[in-house]
Amino acid sequence: ETGVTQSPTHLIKTRGQQVTLRCSSQSGHNTVSWYQQALGQGPQFIFQYYREEENGRGNFPPRFSGLQFPNYSSELNVNALELDDSALYLCASGWDRENTEAFFGQGTRLTVV
Amino acid sequence: AQSVSQHNHHVILSEAASLELGCNYSYGGTVNLFWYVQYPGQHLQLLLKYFSGDPLVKGIKGFEAEFIKSKFSFNLRKPSVQWSDTAEYFCAVNSHSGGYQKVTFGTGTKLQVIP
Repeated sequence: ETGVTQSPTHLIKTRGQQVTLRCSSQSGHNTVSWYQQALGQGPQFIFQYYREEENGRGNFPPRFSGLQFPNYSSELNVNALELDDSALYLCASGWDRENTEAFFGQGTRLTVV
Repeated sequence: AQSVSQHNHHVILSEAASLELGCNYSYGGTVNLFWYVQYPGQHLQLLLKYFSGDPLVKGIKGFEAEFIKSKFSFNLRKPSVQWSDTAEYFCAVNSHSGGYQKVTFGTGTKLQVIP
């Protein structure tokens, strides 16, 4: 167990809807990053937050947004859901901005129908 | 653009065989390199990492990797695999420019070890 918890574990949404995924970081960690993992693919980096500020972003459109809260928990918001957004969403936390060691949660499986 | 290539998508080995999984990356600047492992039904976990210093790094469970800068490679090795090494292995690169991070994972290699 890593101490990184994600909720919910599974979610079904309709195309066009909005979704919020949540992540609770391991105690003492102040960096959180989010990834999208499609079936048969490696995780794709969405963005990273360090002490509530975004300090890294992958090639995802602006409808993917996030927040990191003062207690270092985090949210991933996705607007205007598309079928291709169906994937496993992973959260990882770490204790420095370079993310020298990331601890992953089990992920949220999002299905868009 | 930053990218990571893992050459082997699926590898099948017998127990006690030696393992080498290839990883090549492309990026012009300084990178940190990682290998992650995902055992069946479990979360991703760090196997080993390279930041600086000795290019031969040792990780958990007898794994090691060698960073060869001239070849942009970071291959994973284990002299003798066990059935419990059956898992999916991901190579990843983290670059940081001006404090801004970017992480790229490879597509993964599924390793199946036959008893």
